[in-house]
Amino acid sequence: EVQLVESGGTSVQPGGSLKLSCEASGFTLSGSIVHWVRQASGKGLEWVGRIRIKTHGYATAYAESVKGRFTISRDDSKNTAHLQMNSLKIEDTAVYYCTRLAVSGTWRFDPWGQGTLVTVSS
Amino acid sequence: QSALTQPASVSGSPGQSITISCTGTSSDIGAYNYVSWFQQQPGKAPKVMIYDVSNRPSGVSNRFSGSKSGNTASLTISGLQAEDEADYYCSSYTTSGSGVFGTGTQVTVL
Repeated sequence: EVQLVESGGTSVQPGGSLKLSCEASGFTLSGSIVHWVRQASGKGLEWVGRIRIKTHGYATAYAESVKGRFTISRDDSKNTAHLQMNSLKIEDTAVYYCTRLAVSGTWRFDPWGQGTLVTVSS
Repeated sequence: QSALTQPASVSGSPGQSITISCTGTSSDIGAYNYVSWFQQQPGKAPKVMIYDVSNRPSGVSNRFSGSKSGNTASLTISGLQAEDEADYYCSSYTTSGSGVFGTGTQVTVL
């Protein structure tokens, strides 16, 4: 079964840091562009960022709301991607999902992980 | 990058057809045929229903269809069923190489 599983979500104080992981199973993550998406409670989906594959230099892009604070990386040897979150703000509180583009050259996000909850609170 | 604009809610009776619009700009929806639609049930992860404007993944009912005209994409659900009640989001690739989602539409089956 093709699957993504996020981990690492927890409660953290404002200004703190947290690293989320996204582990793939049933397929090789190295061939896929990985995206992170978040959703605050009762709110809509917000695109966070993405990382391309090795042949495209692992290029990253970020939403303006997280640029300079969040960093996406990947460890293809472990079939895993990461979201490093620094200088966390209360408004970063959300469920964080990882997903991938299922086919290169399309805009098809499939599968999605189950999400991991990040709570930023004092 | 501003969120794409969707109606907050759309409703219909069983068997009817409904259409959800998703309005962007020439920097996102209008720039490429990279528009997707997702269904999200309460407490669940989103599920892709349509990708690349009008393509349907295997396993998704053919009652779901997508289209695009200019800077606006649309999702049509025909033969509305109780199980279609959910939140729906559109998404587009942008000219800056990023992604953007719509504001979301709550679909209610009357």
